Amino acid sequence: KNQVEQSPQSLIILEGKNCTLQCNYTVSPFSNLRWYKQDTGRGPVSLTIMTFSENTKSNGRYTATLDADTKQSSLHITASQLSDSASYICVVSAYGYKLSFGAGTTVTVRA
Amino acid sequence: GAGVSQSPSNKVTEKGKDVELRCDPISGHTALYWYRQSLGQGLEFLIYFQGNSAPDKSGLPSDRFSAERTGGSVSTLTIQRTQQEDSAVYLCASSPGLAGASYEQYFGPGTRLTVT
Repeated sequence: KNQVEQSPQSLIILEGKNCTLQCNYTVSPFSNLRWYKQDTGRGPVSLTIMTFSENTKSNGRYTATLDADTKQSSLHITASQLSDSASYICVVSAYGYKLSFGAGTTVTVRA
Repeated sequence: GAGVSQSPSNKVTEKGKDVELRCDPISGHTALYWYRQSLGQGLEFLIYFQGNSAPDKSGLPSDRFSAERTGGSVSTLTIQRTQQEDSAVYLCASSPGLAGASYEQYFGPGTRLTVT
């Protein structure tokens, strides 16, 4: 069973609207949580990295939150743009290099 | 500077053939990782190199899979006697210094392998 579950599997939003992606994890012990953006045919690119003590971190129009007690994270996209169309992957690190990947949420932004 | 590069970008091979996938990490990055991404699945860890040595090979699915790294730089992932279930995108990533809790991993564009 995957230790990182993401929802929804996919979503479609209109340009300019906001959306929130969810990530629940069971990975233990916990070191850090990362959100990656993966454009079609490209490798994942890091958006944010949060450690246990961080509740929120922003990168431009992307804001990630973390609740280490409930083992939940969210990624909020503000004022979506067509270029935000991609797969967003939640990644949890137990220790060092060992990363557990969610299956991703595919976001489609339509004009 | 240049990012992580992988070649070929696409590879179609017949079942039973051997394939070699190449990864050129970012210059100076000592850690290198191989992952497999199957359709609808999360990335699956295969193997990790620190310099030329592979402390963790636990993710290799079978003994048909092997990898090496030479000169602390280029790495090759070899799949022998390919099977249809090997069809996936193979991603390589590199990171600076020792693989630590917060070191960023920089990914290449991947090699899409199709076994017919």
